Amino acid sequence: DAGVTQSPTHLIKTRGQQVTLRCSPKSGHDTVSWYQQALGQGPQFIFQYYEEEERQRGNFPDRFSGHQFPNYSSELNVNALLLGDSALYLCASSLPTGNTEAFFGQGTRLTVV
Amino acid sequence: GQQLNQSPQSMFIQEGEDVSMNCTSSSIFNTWLWYKQDPGEGPVLLIALYKAGELTSNGRLTAQFGTTRKDSFLNISASIPSDVGIYFCAGHRYSGAGSYQLTFGKGTKLSVIP
Repeated sequence: DAGVTQSPTHLIKTRGQQVTLRCSPKSGHDTVSWYQQALGQGPQFIFQYYEEEERQRGNFPDRFSGHQFPNYSSELNVNALLLGDSALYLCASSLPTGNTEAFFGQGTRLTVV
Repeated sequence: GQQLNQSPQSMFIQEGEDVSMNCTSSSIFNTWLWYKQDPGEGPVLLIALYKAGELTSNGRLTAQFGTTRKDSFLNISASIPSDVGIYFCAGHRYSGAGSYQLTFGKGTKLSVIP
């Protein structure tokens, strides 16, 4: 049973550039959430996708956008990168209803220089 | 963004000792989750708690959902070197429109001395 997979694992970008991160959810899961984890901090919720729509959004600017595809995989896009966007970006998948467990991928380490 | 109050921030223990960490919030949560994260990896789910007062075990790990729904604790018995890592609590709260947002603590870094 494949768990949550993310790509790439590491990425280095220059300020002002744009980046796209990808996530495939755990088999049987159709809800994908994205989190940003700064060094020494817990993950912070960015947004959640279900049925190809953004269902909930955390306190992140519009530079952060996403997409969910019919096969439930998802992308996170960040435009106009800032140095402060450097972090581990985590994707979590879950079932859509009820009190549910979220399973995380290994993350994408983004470094903005 | 909001984070749960997790303590202690770090701890050093001898192999074989028991460990206890806790998490508190000013808000009520519907579910409490405990994760372990190794360096460079994503969090791995250890235990999920769904009802106030619930006590759940997973091997040497035991966690409880506080009766006020604003706190939770995690105990690890007879620690071993592979318990090293960062432990995060996370609260799950219904946030409207049928979605569920996880709020995390800052983590407890556990070091085990052989």
